[in-house]
Amino acid sequence: KNEVEQSPQNLTAQEGEFITINCSYSVGISALHWLQQHPGGGIVSLFMLSSGKKKHGRLIATINIQEKHSSLHITASHPRDSAVYICAASGGGADGLTFGKGTHLIIQP
Amino acid sequence: NAGVMQNPRHLVRRRGQEARLRCSPMKGHSHVYWYRQLPEEGLKFMVYLQKENIIDESGMPKERFSAEFPKEGPSILRIQQVVRGDSAAYFCASSLRTGRDQPQHFGDGTRLSIL
Repeated sequence: KNEVEQSPQNLTAQEGEFITINCSYSVGISALHWLQQHPGGGIVSLFMLSSGKKKHGRLIATINIQEKHSSLHITASHPRDSAVYICAASGGGADGLTFGKGTHLIIQP
Repeated sequence: NAGVMQNPRHLVRRRGQEARLRCSPMKGHSHVYWYRQLPEEGLKFMVYLQKENIIDESGMPKERFSAEFPKEGPSILRIQQVVRGDSAAYFCASSLRTGRDQPQHFGDGTRLSIL
């Protein structure tokens, strides 16, 4: 059974700061997903990656397969980035995704 | 080019009633996943279906819960004789192809409240 751990659980930062959210998983996976959820809102898929690095706008996701670790970075953070960021793993013996508990990010103006 | 559609967005039921949650996957997608998010908890996998087949229901409670994805129409998650503990957000996701390396597209969820 795969375990997905995220850190930090909560993060408050000032507008403009560089943000890093970490995710580790316990068994081999097919892919690692980063998701965003606003309060009371739906879930948006930000990235799916199985190796290396992906970039979309101010968001960057990296994964190290050997270390079973992924990071999500936000450059030049903005209050609209405030949301819950969730890491999820696919594969590892399960058909559905296995989720971390999420990181509550607040960006203050 | 509609995404994954879930309805209703909010559903209120009294204890003992039935709840039916609907999910229409993205156009062309034939794989559907249901997830549950309990208050203050993370998302948990419930069931994975392809058209007319349940592939993996390892995350479904053994009693009162069922899911289907008929040849025509949306996928349905059905909860019979609801209890307070069923109050949660239920999310549906769809993918184009089978395989654990496929992206999943999520709906906006159904918030179920049990009185």
